[in-house]
Amino acid sequence: ETGVTQSPTHLIKTRGQQVTLRCSSQSGHNTVSWYQQALGQGPQFIFQYYREEENGRGNFPPRFSGLQFPNYSSELNVNALELDDSALYLCASSLAQTGGEQYFGPGTRLTVT
Amino acid sequence: QKEVEQNSGPLSVPEGAIASLNCTYSDRGSQSFFWYRQYSGKSPELIMSIYSNGDKEDGRFTAQLNKASQYVSLLIRDSQPSDSATYLCAVNALTAGNKLTFGGGTRVLVKP
Repeated sequence: ETGVTQSPTHLIKTRGQQVTLRCSSQSGHNTVSWYQQALGQGPQFIFQYYREEENGRGNFPPRFSGLQFPNYSSELNVNALELDDSALYLCASSLAQTGGEQYFGPGTRLTVT
Repeated sequence: QKEVEQNSGPLSVPEGAIASLNCTYSDRGSQSFFWYRQYSGKSPELIMSIYSNGDKEDGRFTAQLNKASQYVSLLIRDSQPSDSATYLCAVNALTAGNKLTFGGGTRVLVKP
C-alpha cells in the first residue's frame, strides 16, 4: 500500500508568480484535502475534492484553486503569490465514507520572496 | 473564540511519566475527533481517532472524549524522548465536507 506523496518538496517563488503543487492519494482513497500550515500554527483547511469536484472550501480567496483527476490525484494552484502564502502545504487523502480519518503527505514547503 | 483550542506548551514531562494534553472545541455538531503528532519539519501523523464519548486506548495512547463538555484529551503513558513533538487536535464537523479544523498544537518535551 503506497502512502500519500507530494511534489515538489520545496519551492521558492517570487511575489506575483503562480505555482502548482501536486499530490497522489493513498492507494484506495478517493478524497483529497489541502491544508496550509504557517509556522507555529495548526493546518488550515483550503478545500477538498471528491469525485473530481470541490466538496467544501475554507476561508481562502479564489486565487487558490484545485483539480482532482480520475485517478484521485490532485493539484493545488495558487495565482498572484503573496508573501503570506509562504507556508507548508499539506495534502491529505481519505475515504469519504469513513467519517474523516485523513492521512497526510510529506508536504511542500513554499517560500515566496 | 477559536474553534479548537489547545495549550501551546511546552509541556515538559519526565521520561516514564504520563503526559496529559487537552483540547476544547466550539462546534457542538462535531462528530469525529483526531490526534496527530507532528515532529519538527515533518507532516502530521495520525495517532488516534475517537468518535464516541468515553475512552479509547491504543498502546501507550488513550484518547478521552466528552461531547457534553466539548473537550477531548490525549494521555501518553510511559513517555519516551521520542514522544517529544507537537500534538495537534483536529475536529471534524461533517457539515462542511469532512473538513478538519485544527488547534494550534501542544508542544511536548520528554526529558530523559
